[in-house]
Amino acid sequence: QVQLVESGGGLVKPGGSLRLSCAASGFSFSDHYMTWIRQAPGKGLEWISYISLSGDAMYYAESVKGRFTISRDNAKKLLYLQMNSLRAEDTAVYYCTGDGPYCSGASCFSWWGQGTLVTVSS
Amino acid sequence: SYVLTQSPAVSVAPGQTARITCGGNNIGTISVHWYQQKPGQAPVLVLYDDSDRPSGIPERLSGSNSGNTATLTISRVEAWDEADYYCQVWDISGDHPVFGGGTKLTVL
Repeated sequence: QVQLVESGGGLVKPGGSLRLSCAASGFSFSDHYMTWIRQAPGKGLEWISYISLSGDAMYYAESVKGRFTISRDNAKKLLYLQMNSLRAEDTAVYYCTGDGPYCSGASCFSWWGQGTLVTVSS
Repeated sequence: SYVLTQSPAVSVAPGQTARITCGGNNIGTISVHWYQQKPGQAPVLVLYDDSDRPSGIPERLSGSNSGNTATLTISRVEAWDEADYYCQVWDISGDHPVFGGGTKLTVL
């Protein structure tokens, strides 16, 4: 059974940093693109970053470019999102997702974690 | 960046048919994917590549895509279908995924 479990969310002050983790199980992690998607309170879904199979290629939304860094550890089956210089508008639930059996690359998202809430506030 | 437009809300009585649209420039030439999200839960992929259903998704959900509009059709609507629905495509020019703003489906 596929599981994606996020952790690391919480309350942080503007300008602060957080590192999100996503523990994957139930599938061959290194065979799948992984993506972080977020959802601000009461708002829609926003793609923010995805990473290639080996981790040598990373892509970012303009809203987080230069502040967030995605990475993966295939041996440990972990996905990360390092978030620096956080702003109030980064407040959201952050979902770890995988392309899964129905999608290729980061074209769509078969698998979703339950999400972790990040709140940026003074 | 490619823009997807969804109506904010659709209402339908139980047993009727709901149609949720997703508009985009020549969207008929690219694959559209749909997600269902219920309150407090993560989204679930309910259609991929315009009209294919992942395992476990009822046949009552179907999709079409032509011209500038993709449509998610839900036949014989049930209370279970009440949720937010998001369309999503791959923006070739930007090399990244794009989501529509979402449609709230209310079952009357």
